[in-house]
Amino acid sequence: DAGVTQSPTHLIKTRGQQVTLRCSPKSGHDTVSWYQQALGQGPQFIFQYYEEEERQRGNFPDRFSGHQFPNYSSELNVNALLLGDSALYLCASSLGYRDRGPGANVLTFGAGSRLTVL
Amino acid sequence: AQTVTQSQPEMSVQEAETVTLSCTYDTSESDYYLFWYKQPPSRQMILVIRQEAYKQQNATENRFSVNFQKAAKSFSLKISDSQLGDAAMYFCAYRATSGTYKYIFGTGTRLKVLA
Repeated sequence: DAGVTQSPTHLIKTRGQQVTLRCSPKSGHDTVSWYQQALGQGPQFIFQYYEEEERQRGNFPDRFSGHQFPNYSSELNVNALLLGDSALYLCASSLGYRDRGPGANVLTFGAGSRLTVL
Repeated sequence: AQTVTQSQPEMSVQEAETVTLSCTYDTSESDYYLFWYKQPPSRQMILVIRQEAYKQQNATENRFSVNFQKAAKSFSLKISDSQLGDAAMYFCAYRATSGTYKYIFGTGTRLKVLA
């Protein structure tokens, strides 16, 4: 059973450039969330995609955008990179409906993409 | 706004001993989920344990158990018989059951296990 896979694992960009990060959810999951984890901090919610729509967005500027494809995979795009965008970007998948079953509302995370902006 | 606070940046425990990691949270919601996630050096966040606020009984998963005090808004994690593989960052997280899909994480506690 494949878990959440993310690519690339590491990348280096310069200020002003654009980056695209990719995520394939765990088999059976239909919802993808993206989190930014700065060094020494906990993950911060960027947005969540469900049924190819952005369902909820955190407190991030419009430079951060995303997409979800029919196969539930997702991309995170960041434009006009700033030094402060350097972080670990985590993708997490889950089931889109809410119930009280054992697996409901549990996020399964990927290993992240480490972005360094110079 | 909901917040999650982990006041212990770092903790150490001897192998085979027991350690407790603290977490407090603030919310006006009555129904929510609480989680402990482990992040080893491999970076992948792994779910350790989950608690639903409407359940009085504290969750347990093998050597891991929680002390959930709803009135005090406290959610501590106890690790018994600590093993070297338990060394990692531990994050406490909160999610309301309605109105949001966002998880709110604390800043983490680094656990060191001493041989």
